[in-house]
Amino acid sequence: GEDVEQSLFLSVREGDSSVINCTYTDSSSTYLYWYKQEPGAGLQLLTYIFSNMDMKQDQRLTVLLNKKDKHLSLRIADTQTGDSAIYFCAENDYGQNFVFGPGTRLSVLP
Amino acid sequence: DVKVTQSSRYLVKRTGEKVFLECVQDMDHENMFWYRQDPGLGLRLIYFSYDVKMKEKGDIPEGYSVSREKKERFSLILESASTNQTSMYLCASSFRSVSLSYEQYFGPGTRLTVT
Repeated sequence: GEDVEQSLFLSVREGDSSVINCTYTDSSSTYLYWYKQEPGAGLQLLTYIFSNMDMKQDQRLTVLLNKKDKHLSLRIADTQTGDSAIYFCAENDYGQNFVFGPGTRLSVLP
Repeated sequence: DVKVTQSSRYLVKRTGEKVFLECVQDMDHENMFWYRQDPGLGLRLIYFSYDVKMKEKGDIPEGYSVSREKKERFSLILESASTNQTSMYLCASSFRSVSLSYEQYFGPGTRLTVT
């Protein structure tokens, strides 16, 4: 079945860039998503990219997609303490179902 | 503004009790989902519904049932709660955007503890 993998932890210093990586196995994935979960809250949709794109930028967020290697990354520029959260990668193949990765816990150190 | 609400943020139940988790969305979305979230495992789909009275099993439906009598409301039922159902439960709804992507919106979650 489909699988989405992420490293579980990432620590960065405030002001540095963060790069969160994700790999997926389903070659029919059409849309790939990044969600953010702050402590005690549900998931918030940050951004998504269509599989025929290789890059999408939205303010401090840059999503890179390497479809050949099935690798997705989320870069957060000028990381702030408010960016501390769990980040989930998810894929969707035009159906209603989403497959989520385990989440990467980003810690921002002062 | 998109809104998905869940009936409780925290719930403590005893083993063997019947538990109802309620979810309501006010966006007229067709699809609704129940996930459970456990550390290191991400989100696992329990059930989803793509229309009123319709339901589909997800990856881990055992021990759960669902009900969708109205479009805006999707209920998750634990018929006889067990300690291994202690978890965070997340409800979501989704719609298909003009770009044909599905956008999924989540409620705040219910942290259920079964003792």
